[in-house]
Amino acid sequence: DAGVIQSPRHEVTEMGQEVTLRCKPISGHDYLFWYRQTMMRGLELLIYFNNNVPIDDSGMPEDRFSAKMPNASFSTLKIQPSEPRDSAVYFCASSSGHRNTIYFGEGSWLTVV
Amino acid sequence: QKEVEQNSGPLSVPEGAIASLNCTYSDRGSQSFFWYRQYSGKSPELIMFIYSNGDKEDGRFTAQLNKASQYVSLLIRDSQPSDSATYLCAVNPATPIFGAGTRLAVHP
Repeated sequence: DAGVIQSPRHEVTEMGQEVTLRCKPISGHDYLFWYRQTMMRGLELLIYFNNNVPIDDSGMPEDRFSAKMPNASFSTLKIQPSEPRDSAVYFCASSSGHRNTIYFGEGSWLTVV
Repeated sequence: QKEVEQNSGPLSVPEGAIASLNCTYSDRGSQSFFWYRQYSGKSPELIMFIYSNGDKEDGRFTAQLNKASQYVSLLIRDSQPSDSATYLCAVNPATPIFGAGTRLAVHP
């Protein structure tokens, strides 16, 4: 079975550039989550969707971050403009149901220089 | 504020010993609890979940939940060097909230 698929796996970009991270959840899962992981702050929930609708985006750091889910099989997390402090691993995860196990993608390692 | 607290470690145990990992949470409305393992440079992977008070065993792993005291623990019996990783506790009152993780080192 295909798991959560993320792209790109690694990205190095210059400060001020736009970054777009992509995610394909597990087929049939109705919840999709975007997390950010850093050494200092651990794993932080940025935003989550239910049936393609954003439910809680209170974890999004600021207006430079935006996320969309145009259909059940695709989501994007965009950072514009990017800053060095955005350097982190961004994980997409999905689950079936509200309080069930969430499954993570392999992550997108972002470095902003 | 909803929080999940874990000792960051490192927790160092000899091979073959029992490793005990603990987690406390603040939201009494939490209903589902998870333990994930994360190897360096990899994504978190589920080890166990537990919903009810008491113990749940799966192979060498035992999860323990005490809702009255608001803690959940993970015991790893017969620890192996391959168990060396960071263990993340996750609590789900409404959305999954993760602790910072405990780093476990099993030495031969």
